[in-house]
This record gives sequence, C-alpha cells and structure tokens, in this order.
Amino acid sequence: GDSVTQMEGPVTLSEEACLTINCTYTATGYPSLFWYVQYPGEGLQLLLKATKADDKGSNKGFEATYRKETTSFHLEKGSVQVSDSAVYFCALSAQGSNYKLTFGKGTLLTVNP
Amino acid sequence: GAGVSQSPSNKVTEKGKDVELRCDPISGHTALYWYRQSLGQGLEFLIYFQGNSAPDKSGLPSDRFSAERTGGSVSTLTIQRTQQEDSAVYLCASSSIAGGGTDTQYFGPGTRLTVL
Repeated sequence: GDSVTQMEGPVTLSEEACLTINCTYTATGYPSLFWYVQYPGEGLQLLLKATKADDKGSNKGFEATYRKETTSFHLEKGSVQVSDSAVYFCALSAQGSNYKLTFGKGTLLTVNP
Repeated sequence: GAGVSQSPSNKVTEKGKDVELRCDPISGHTALYWYRQSLGQGLEFLIYFQGNSAPDKSGLPSDRFSAERTGGSVSTLTIQRTQQEDSAVYLCASSSIAGGGTDTQYFGPGTRLTVL
C-alpha cells in the first residue's frame, strides 16, 4: 500500500538557519504530494502541494519539489523564523485510494531566537 | 467563509460508554474524511464520504466505529463501547470536487477524546 517516510525529529535550529526535512514515498500510480503544518494548539493546515513530477510547491518561504525518480518531496527553507516552530507532516493522496491522505509520522521543528 | 467545524472540542468518557463526534464541513464540499491522530499511530485515515456514493470504510479499526453523513453535509462518527486505546484526536476534513488529488483537504480543529 501507499506509505510516506519522513525524517524523525525533533529538529532544533537557530533563527535564520537553513531547514531541510526529508520525505520519501511509496505509491502506485501518480500521487499528489503535500506538506501540512500543525502550529502549537492549532489544527492541520496545508503548507504546500505538488500534483505532478517536477512541480515545485511553495508557500511562506518553504519549497518542495516533486521528484519522481527518487520518490521524494523534501521540504526546504533558506532562513527559518521562530514562528516556523511547528510539526510538519508529509502526505500523499492517490486516485486509487479515494484521495485519502496518507501521512508521514511528522517532524517537530523548534526554532530558537 | 466558515471553515470545517467539529464538536465537541474535548470529550472525556468512561470505558465502555458510547460517544458521538460531529463534523460540519465547508458548505458545498462534497467530499468528507475522518482521520485519527494518536501518539502511537500518527495520523490515520478512518472513513471517506463522497456525495451519495457508498462510503469508503476501509480505515475503520473495528466494528465499534461507524459514521454517517446526513443530507450530504453534517457527519457523525460514533464509537461504541469505547476503549482506552480509542483515546486520540479525531479530525474531520472536507474538499470540494470529488475529493480529487489536486483539491486541498481542509481540516477542522479536531475533537480530543479521552477514555478513562
């Protein structure tokens, strides 16, 4: 079945540091790929998405590129802020699975001033 | 506009009791999903509704779990004879066009269920 593997945290960075959170997936067909974010005390929010190979999703300074050859969708940001502290989830959805989201286990990011 | 709403926000119950969790999707969204977020299992799909089609129940963990969606809008997730392992945050999400892969699923704030 479909699965998502993302790097385990927690990840602790200083403000303005570079961030990469690795995500790889296993799926049949051509899934859509997502990064969701959960800020402390808040619900899940879509951060960015990509629906086909080589697409780049971007939002709030975060980027991720859909790499079919390596089945990856790594999340990157060049300069993190304290307000980026949250749990980040990589996810995929596929037509053959009624587009339900299959999530990775989440990565807790803490950014210190 | 209004987002996905869920009630109650918190529910504490005793083992063996039944509970009902409610989800109000975004108006006009035809697809509705239930997920569960727990420390041990992460985020798991439970059930999917799309219009008048038969629901996809493949994620329900046992026959104690059931859900319905009335009038293509509000959904209720029912857990019978609750067990301690049912303790989790139950999340509802909706999306607009047939739950297509390009359509964003919008999540509600969740219901935190604690089974004592």
